[in-house]
Amino acid sequence: GQQVMQIPQYQHVQEGEDFTTYCNSSTTLSNIQWYKQRPGGHPVFLIQLVKSGEVKKQKRLTFQFGEAKKNSSLHITATQTTDVGTYFCASAGGTSYGKLTFGQGTILTVHP
Amino acid sequence: DVKVTQSSRYLVKRTGEKVFLECVQDMDHENMFWYRQDPGLGLRLIYFSYDVKMKEKGDIPEGYSVSREKKERFSLILESASTNQTSMYLCASSFLGGRWDNYEQYFGPGTRLTVT
Repeated sequence: GQQVMQIPQYQHVQEGEDFTTYCNSSTTLSNIQWYKQRPGGHPVFLIQLVKSGEVKKQKRLTFQFGEAKKNSSLHITATQTTDVGTYFCASAGGTSYGKLTFGQGTILTVHP
Repeated sequence: DVKVTQSSRYLVKRTGEKVFLECVQDMDHENMFWYRQDPGLGLRLIYFSYDVKMKEKGDIPEGYSVSREKKERFSLILESASTNQTSMYLCASSFLGGRWDNYEQYFGPGTRLTVT
């Protein structure tokens, strides 16, 4: 099945620093979704990107979909302690009908 | 608000026991999913269902079965629990997408299962 590789696995930052996580695929993705899971919580949908080269912003979060639709990134500007958690990318495959393949996730720790 | 509920937050079972994990959603979603989450491995799909009585294997179906008798309810069954099935189990639901598109998934709070 379709696989998405996510890096890094862990990221420690000082509060106020920026953070980026990357999601890569060897095949073209039809779309990509991003989820956030707070410690002790469950994944919560953040956004979906569909178009080649698409960029979307949510306050301090910037999401990008590569021109070739094989990679995506999530960038957080000036991290806050509320940003801690695990960020997952997920993508549908050609036989999807709703099924997603999730990346391994990036665990973000923010030191005050 | 979409609500996905799971029958237990924590569960401790013995090796060889039959285990039922239940999930209920209240948004009339066609799709329902069972994942397990282990450190460093992300979310791995066990089974999903796109309609009542319909099911498809995910990436790691071995040792599990599922049941969907009603649209709102999706059960995960461990026929004979083993210690390597100790994990966090997450249920999710979504509307039915097309072949190349999909809708966001809504997750339940998870069940942390320990098999001793």
